[in-house]
Amino acid sequence: KNQVEQSPQSLIILEGKNCTLQCNYTVSPFSNLRWYKQDTGRGPVSLTIMTFSENTKSNGRYTATLDADTKQSSLHITASQLSDSASYICVVSFRTSGTYKYIFGTGTRLKVLA
Amino acid sequence: DTGVSQDPRHKITKRGQNVTFRCDPISEHNRLYWYRQTLGQGPEFLTYFQNEAQLEKSRLLSDRFSAERPKGSFSTLEIQRTEQGDSAMYLCASSLAGNTNEQYFGPGTRLTVT
Repeated sequence: KNQVEQSPQSLIILEGKNCTLQCNYTVSPFSNLRWYKQDTGRGPVSLTIMTFSENTKSNGRYTATLDADTKQSSLHITASQLSDSASYICVVSFRTSGTYKYIFGTGTRLKVLA
Repeated sequence: DTGVSQDPRHKITKRGQNVTFRCDPISEHNRLYWYRQTLGQGPEFLTYFQNEAQLEKSRLLSDRFSAERPKGSFSTLEIQRTEQGDSAMYLCASSLAGNTNEQYFGPGTRLTVT
């Protein structure tokens, strides 16, 4: 079964600290993996996208890694800010019957405290 | 604003009533997606259009749900005879055709069925 699991479910850190969020997937055949940031009451906004051949992708203080062999991805946030408080959703895409489908994880809710 | 817009942002309705939501995608995007998201969960795929053609519907989309994109631009999602279990955030996203093309999400319509 195609699944995307994220951990931890929630995380609280102090402003200025770093943190790492995990995403494990069983999606096959893998096409690409995206990380989204979703503020409360808003739609998700894309942070990074990685294809099979990419190991690392950065977007400012956000760095995503991908290990296609172990089917794991991580999102590292450096020097966290209060505005980083949000849900972070991992989405894996796969191709089936000539079309692409997207499997969303349940997200990690990050709270950054002053 | 050239992003994805959704209307209304919030809707409160009584059980048994019909509701209709509208999504205006980014103008040059030919793909449009509808998702449902409940609290603490990731978005769940409902249906998607390529231009005016509805190419796929999830099993989540019961007979009470119908979506249209009559001219290949805006789309509507109608829920008939609403139930309390329909309470959720309904997200719309649009993209260009192609797997790596990013989905841009709208702000969502939050539906509360009392």
